[in-house]
Amino acid sequence: DSGVTQTPKHLITATGQRVTLRCSPRSGDLSVYWYQQSLDQGLQFLIQYYNGEERAKGNILERFSAQQFPDLHSELNLSSLELGDSALYFCASSEDVTGELFFGEGSRLTVL
Amino acid sequence: AQKVTQAQTEISVVEKEDVTLDCVYETRDTTYYLFWYKQPPSGELVFLIRRNSFDEQNEISGRYSWNFQKSTSSFNFTITASQVVDSAVYFCALSEWGGYNKLIFGAGTRLAVHP
Repeated sequence: DSGVTQTPKHLITATGQRVTLRCSPRSGDLSVYWYQQSLDQGLQFLIQYYNGEERAKGNILERFSAQQFPDLHSELNLSSLELGDSALYFCASSEDVTGELFFGEGSRLTVL
Repeated sequence: AQKVTQAQTEISVVEKEDVTLDCVYETRDTTYYLFWYKQPPSGELVFLIRRNSFDEQNEISGRYSWNFQKSTSSFNFTITASQVVDSAVYFCALSEWGGYNKLIFGAGTRLAVHP
């Protein structure tokens, strides 16, 4: 158990819909990261927050957005969903911006 | 641009065999981190090792060992006396120094260890 909690574990929805994935980092970790694992693209970095502020951005679509709240949990919002958004979305956390990354178990999104 | 190549898509071995997973990386940075992660069938990503580009010493942890060769831009992973529980997908990854843990992952190598 990495200490990073992600909900929901599984989610099935339809094209055009919007979903929110939630992540609670390990206790004391200030930095949160989102990664996407899909069959087409493999594992990709999406975005990183540190203590509430966005610090780095990767291949995140404009239809996707994220934020980190004052209690340090983070949410990834995916809107206007397409079939290709079906993937395993990982959250990870670290104590600071370069510390060891701990990954959650992922949220598996299926878009039908 | 940074890139990680894991040329072996799938490897199948019999228990107790030694197996080496290859990883070749490309980066223009002179300082960087290299990682290995394990993804068992249950799906989570398990951290195995992080090395910085200054430290080329090989590392051994139990049955696991890593060979970092800057001259060939490789960071290979060897499992000695493999076990069925080692069956998983293994990912090699790279990030720039101070790169905010923005990891560039390879495509992964699926290892199947048969009894």
